[in-house]
Amino acid sequence: QVQLQESGPGPVKSSQTLSLTCTVSGGSISSGDYYWTWIRQHPGKGLEWVGYIYYSGSTYYNPSLKSRLTISIDTSKNHFSLKLSSVTAADTAVYFCATYKYYFDSWGQGTLVTVSS
Amino acid sequence: QSALTQPASVSGSPGQSITISCTGTSSDVGGYNYVSWYQQHPGTAPKLIIYDVSNRPSGVSNRFSGSKSGNTASLTISGLQAEDEADYYCSSFTSSSTLVAFGGGTKLTVL
Repeated sequence: QVQLQESGPGPVKSSQTLSLTCTVSGGSISSGDYYWTWIRQHPGKGLEWVGYIYYSGSTYYNPSLKSRLTISIDTSKNHFSLKLSSVTAADTAVYFCATYKYYFDSWGQGTLVTVSS
Repeated sequence: QSALTQPASVSGSPGQSITISCTGTSSDVGGYNYVSWYQQHPGTAPKLIIYDVSNRPSGVSNRFSGSKSGNTASLTISGLQAEDEADYYCSSFTSSSTLVAFGGGTKLTVL
């Protein structure tokens, strides 16, 4: 099982772009074994699939976020990233990265991103 | 509103068995054997406990079992223990544009 770790710059101001990176260890992001995924959880709420990317660069996004979302992959650094533009308070959530092959079997610890005005 | 419907809460006494349902449609739960279940304790990441309807990952207690009938999947926890108190989420592949569906989560209280 691979290990994943989210990282990001901390709080984000409303209307700006939220950027997070997920670093993968214990396996190659280019293996083709998984779709590399972002999931978020609003405070006190359930899980929401954000989107995922394959090592080839193919992306699949939640339609509700698609217009603001970019997920990219850097195989040389063994990490993948999320950028969500024009954020509002509604984007305040814990963001998890995870592996997906019709189920999410490895998860990062999650990082809380707070959008402030 | 979540795509998959779970009860908001269930409870049971130590040693008892409980079942959590997850109801979808023929586009997700009913149409594919790609239902998974996750356990989440407060402040931690979800943990996979069942995949592909009824398979347990290595290291997960055999007290956890999964099944499916029609458009409803179920998670059964037998021999309830205090440590089972957590939130439980179901998920399914879906042929809709969202690709991944989650249930709203069920809070399990061990009395």
